[in-house]
Amino acid sequence: ETGVTQSPTHLIKTRGQQVTLRCSSQSGHNTVSWYQQALGQGPQFIFQYYREEENGRGNFPPRFSGLQFPNYSSELNVNALELDDSALYLCASSSGGGRWETQYFGPGTRLLVL
Amino acid sequence: DAKTTQPNSMESNEEEPVHLPCNHSTISGTDYIHWYRQLPSQGPEYVIHGLTSNVNNRMASLAIAEDRKSSTLILHRATLRDAAVYYCILRAQGGSEKLVFGKGTKLTVNP
Repeated sequence: ETGVTQSPTHLIKTRGQQVTLRCSSQSGHNTVSWYQQALGQGPQFIFQYYREEENGRGNFPPRFSGLQFPNYSSELNVNALELDDSALYLCASSSGGGRWETQYFGPGTRLLVL
Repeated sequence: DAKTTQPNSMESNEEEPVHLPCNHSTISGTDYIHWYRQLPSQGPEYVIHGLTSNVNNRMASLAIAEDRKSSTLILHRATLRDAAVYYCILRAQGGSEKLVFGKGTKLTVNP
């Protein structure tokens, strides 16, 4: 059984640029959640996708957007990058809409915005 | 979202038991208590969860106070690999899809 994978592992961008982060969910899971983790803080929920539809969103601006594909992998897109977007971005997969089930996290993508 | 309070850090010696406390005085009747931990340079991982009764699994035990306003995660014999940030999270059954993380407790295990 393959776990949750994320790419790339590290990324450096400059302010104003756009970035796409990718996540492959664990086998058998149809739900992907994205979290942002600033240094020294706990992860903060960005949004969740269930069967290719957004299934809940945290307090993040519209420049944070996502997609889920038919194979349940997912992308997180961030436009107009700001310095405060520098963080670890975590993807978690689960089954059944994620309202109860355990979430399985990937290792994250570390984004640095200069 | 109901709030949890945890100490910022704790220290333990290898092979000794560790008791990680969590206060959740505003917990509701449908809130389950979940624990996740985050090892260095990794994403969080599920540890254990419970509602009212104490729970055991291969990783840890969860002791829940009778009034449910607090709980304790117990690692019976800490190893160096248990050094991590431990998060106590409340989840309502059938409720929110998101996990609401606080800052957690950073556990240091001394050899």
